[in-house]
Amino acid sequence: AQKVTQAQTEISVVEKEDVTLDCVYETRDTTYYLFWYKQPPSGELVFLIRRNSFDEQNEISGRYSWNFQKSTSSFNFTITASQVVDSAVYFCALSGSQGGSEKLVFGKGTKLTVNP
Amino acid sequence: EPEVTQTPSHQVTQMGQEVILRCVPISNHLYFYWYRQILGQKVEFLVSFYNNEISEKSEIFDDQFSVERPDGSNFTLKIRSTKLEDSAMYFCASSEIGPDTQYFGPGTRLTVL
Repeated sequence: AQKVTQAQTEISVVEKEDVTLDCVYETRDTTYYLFWYKQPPSGELVFLIRRNSFDEQNEISGRYSWNFQKSTSSFNFTITASQVVDSAVYFCALSGSQGGSEKLVFGKGTKLTVNP
Repeated sequence: EPEVTQTPSHQVTQMGQEVILRCVPISNHLYFYWYRQILGQKVEFLVSFYNNEISEKSEIFDDQFSVERPDGSNFTLKIRSTKLEDSAMYFCASSEIGPDTQYFGPGTRLTVL
């Protein structure tokens, strides 16, 4: 069975601080995909990044960066120089690729509050 | 940029009533999904749909739920006899191929009284 654990329920930081959101996953699939989605207070789910299990390169997109480590089954997300607009719930998700549908299994989310 | 749309944005219904939630996936996408999120909780998979049939469903997706693609653009979720515990945000998502990024609609907030 697939499982995603986001141990941090809530994080509060002051603007311009760096913050890392942790994600640990479990899967028996040899090929799988990891995702991060952002859910701002307005409620929609905004796609941030997708990684496949064969690509362990870290990725940077502006102030966002992701650290994928298969050895520890982790896919952590760092926001550098956080801003108030980063306040949201962030979900890590996992999908397999064993044929059929590839449903997303979500973690419980981490609520990030960035204070001015 | 293409996006998934959902209607209505908010639906209020009485317990026992039938509701239909509507979604228009991104036009060249082939895989369609419904998820739900009870307030303050995680997003849970309900059902996936490909080639005009259900490809996978969760334990939540019992006999009171059904999905349909009535035409070339819409994808609907029907709840036949709503219960109080069906109150949640329902998200539609679509992807171009199976193991691909799923793009979510803005959600329909269902309130069952």
